[in-house]
Amino acid sequence: AQSVTQLDSQVPVFEEAPVELRCNYSSSVSVYLFWYVQYPNQGLQLLLKYLSGSTLVESINGFEAEFNKSQTSFHLRKPSVHISDTAEYFCAVKRNGFKTIFGAGTRLFVKA
Amino acid sequence: DGGITQSPKYLFRKEGQNVTLSCEQNLNHDAMYWYRQDPGQGLRLIYYSQIVNDFQKGDIAEGYSVSREKKESFPLTVTSAQKNPTAFYLCASSAGGTLEETQYFGPGTRLLVL
Repeated sequence: AQSVTQLDSQVPVFEEAPVELRCNYSSSVSVYLFWYVQYPNQGLQLLLKYLSGSTLVESINGFEAEFNKSQTSFHLRKPSVHISDTAEYFCAVKRNGFKTIFGAGTRLFVKA
Repeated sequence: DGGITQSPKYLFRKEGQNVTLSCEQNLNHDAMYWYRQDPGQGLRLIYYSQIVNDFQKGDIAEGYSVSREKKESFPLTVTSAQKNPTAFYLCASSAGGTLEETQYFGPGTRLLVL
């Protein structure tokens, strides 16, 4: 069975510091990987996704994630965070069919 | 402006009452989904529909029902059989037909029990 593990439930960090949100998945076959972001009392929005090709994918607001097949990881990073990055971040995995499996979420709290 | 709308934003349910959450999309997407979000548990799939007039149970379908009579609409009914309905409910849609398509989410409905 597929599963997604987000290793940290909360990550506090100071503004302009780097951050890494960790995600591991279990699957014996090829998968598609996603990071979604949820701002307070809103729905989720796609941040970035890995489908194939280059293992490093980037978003328009400075986040990046690297697909590591050997470690079955898809960690999300940003070299310098802003207050506005405070949100909950969800890692997700999709294989065949229509179901997407979401991790439990990591709450990023950026402090001034 | 294309997107997904959910209503109401907040909904209160009395004991023994059925309530219906609305979800509408104008993205011309084939697939639609309902998720329940509880703190620290991520998103759990309630029901999904790949095409009009067809839907399948997700991981936590007990106590819920859905219909898909129109492509753009996928309402969710929380029945009195659902003993712990307090949660944030999210509707999503995707184009369907491909493996990698993104899901687009509505703003959510928060259901509270009186």
